[in-house]
Amino acid sequence: EPEVTQTPSHQVTQMGQEVILRCVPISNHLYFYWYRQILGQKVEFLVSFYNNEISEKSEIFDDQFSVERPDGSNFTLKIRSTKLEDSAMYFCASRRTATTNEKLFFGSGTQLSVL
Amino acid sequence: QQQVKQSPQSLIVQKGGISIINCAYENTAFDYFPWYQQFPGKGPALLIAIRPDVSEKKEGRFTISFNKSAKQFSLHIMDSQPGDSATYFCAASSRGFGNEKLTFGTGTRLTIIP
Repeated sequence: EPEVTQTPSHQVTQMGQEVILRCVPISNHLYFYWYRQILGQKVEFLVSFYNNEISEKSEIFDDQFSVERPDGSNFTLKIRSTKLEDSAMYFCASRRTATTNEKLFFGSGTQLSVL
Repeated sequence: QQQVKQSPQSLIVQKGGISIINCAYENTAFDYFPWYQQFPGKGPALLIAIRPDVSEKKEGRFTISFNKSAKQFSLHIMDSQPGDSATYFCAASSRGFGNEKLTFGTGTRLTIIP
């Protein structure tokens, strides 16, 4: 089965530093997402992205966050100035279309630790 | 109103038994209800999903039961196996174009004991 690839698997950073989390969605997919999961809590939606634009974002996705698809394969999440509460597992996801029942594929995640 | 409530938080079932996880929602605009399975260190993986025009969907040992009037849905795992030990999340979305975000439940850690 095709996979969404995320790098790095673990990222440790100091509070206030910028981090970029990278994702390679499945090659023929057009809809991209970032979710996060704070340890022991539920998975939360951050942002959806289609046609080089954000289509929806949650209240978590404030001005410190940005997403980009810099080329035809990568999809990145940037956190400009990390806070302690940004520590979480960040999942990238993608799907081919937005039609009913189209499967959403998740990557294995990047564990971000902000010290 | 956007919440999806999931119970129990953890569940221990004997091998061969039936595992049942329940979810409830409030937002009547939700029209797609998937269940995700997550193993430690991995991302959630779609297990089975249902739309509200049917009351039950079965795939192998996994069944979703859906009660639209009660706004509840549940996952049943028949003949539970040790390999089913994982965290299970229910989720919901309203699948209008450009609004495919999933709202997840809080998760159930399932342990199948021999």
